[in-house]
Amino acid sequence: KNQVEQSPQSLIILEGKNCTLQCNYTVSPFSNLRWYKQDTGRGPVSLTIMTFSENTKSNGRYTATLDADTKQSSLHITASQLSDSASYICVVRGVAPLTGGGNKLTFGTGTQLKVEL
Amino acid sequence: EAQVTQNPRYLITVTGKKLTVTCSQNMNHEYMSWYRQDPGLGLRQIYYSMNVEVTDKGDVPEGYKVSRKEKRNFPLILESPSPNQTSLYFCASSLSARPGQGAWGYTFGSGTRLTVV
Repeated sequence: KNQVEQSPQSLIILEGKNCTLQCNYTVSPFSNLRWYKQDTGRGPVSLTIMTFSENTKSNGRYTATLDADTKQSSLHITASQLSDSASYICVVRGVAPLTGGGNKLTFGTGTQLKVEL
Repeated sequence: EAQVTQNPRYLITVTGKKLTVTCSQNMNHEYMSWYRQDPGLGLRQIYYSMNVEVTDKGDVPEGYKVSRKEKRNFPLILESPSPNQTSLYFCASSLSARPGQGAWGYTFGSGTRLTVV
């Protein structure tokens, strides 16, 4: 069964500090992996997308890494801000069979990050 | 502005009273999908649509119906809501979800918080 596991489940850090969120997946065959940021009560918003051949990708203070061999990804947040407080969701897209069904998404349960003064 | 619009944002209803949650996108996306989000479970797919008049079940379709008569609209119908359908619902769309079109991102709506009493 395709699964996406994220750790830690929740995290509290002080403003200005860095943090790293982890994502392990078993989805195969693999198409791509995205990290989403979800503010409370809002829809997820994409931060980065990683395909099989990419190891690192940055978006401002967010840097995602991918090791397709070990099926692991991380999201590193640099110089955290209060506005970074949100749930961060790892989403892995598998490759559906050519017979149809579309490319399947498997969602992690998210890491709840709180940034405090 | 490119967006996915869901209505209503909040809804409280009684068991058995039919309801419809609307979803509309203005990006000419082929693919649309409904998810529910429950604490500790992540987002789970209810139904999806690859294009007009093409819909299929996701992981948790029981108790739900959908239709895709027009490209822009993808309503979610609960014929006889029950308390276990109390959840946060998200509609999402993507340009395409066909095999080989894996890099297209998903745009999520702002969510509908449904309470069934």
